[in-house]
Amino acid sequence: GAVVSQHPSRVICKSGTSVKIECRSLDFQATTMFWYRQFPKKSLMLMATSNEGSKATYEQGVEKDKFLINHASLTLSTLTVTSAHPEDSSFYICSARLGNYEQYFGPGTRLTVT
Amino acid sequence: AQSVTQPDIHITVSEGASLELRCNYSYGATPYLFWYVQSPGQGLQLLLKYFSGDTLVQGIKGFEAEFKRSQSSFNLRKPSVHWSDAAEYFCAVGGPQFYFGTGTSLTVIP
Repeated sequence: GAVVSQHPSRVICKSGTSVKIECRSLDFQATTMFWYRQFPKKSLMLMATSNEGSKATYEQGVEKDKFLINHASLTLSTLTVTSAHPEDSSFYICSARLGNYEQYFGPGTRLTVT
Repeated sequence: AQSVTQPDIHITVSEGASLELRCNYSYGATPYLFWYVQSPGQGLQLLLKYFSGDTLVQGIKGFEAEFKRSQSSFNLRKPSVHWSDAAEYFCAVGGPQFYFGTGTSLTVIP
């Protein structure tokens, strides 16, 4: 149980285009999901907290107009990287909260912007 | 302020040897503690967690961790390491929001 999927697993896009990443909780409902970014050989950096039916909460320094988050249902949150640039290339990981304190993580999405 | 420290950036052990990965935390309330493992290019898999009760917790893949409040530590151990344990290990503390350590990279030599 407690499986979280992400799609796509890898994506390459051209600079200036937008790309959408989906995060789904497959066997449980999650009112809260989280989006992280991970740089090579680095820890996870929390980007934003996504709450179903309401606006996401962004961490300091994260551009909300660039990283659009939508949590339209209890099993799906999406992260859209708008007008992507090479510096946005990274590994993006989502998680879904189960209960009050547990998070289950997706397999990650490798974004490469050329 | 909440924080997690993993003092060892990289550890190398021989297959069959014992392993201990260190984790120290700073948290203003009762901590909820987690250890995750990440293989290259993959997401994080939960190894074990501590919420309350017995301070020695058992996890998957033969791992265990001990919560020591007096030392603000939650070290991960395994008595005999397998080559497949080579990965990145993250300690995390938190409740509604997680704070991650910087990770420890484990190499296993045959």
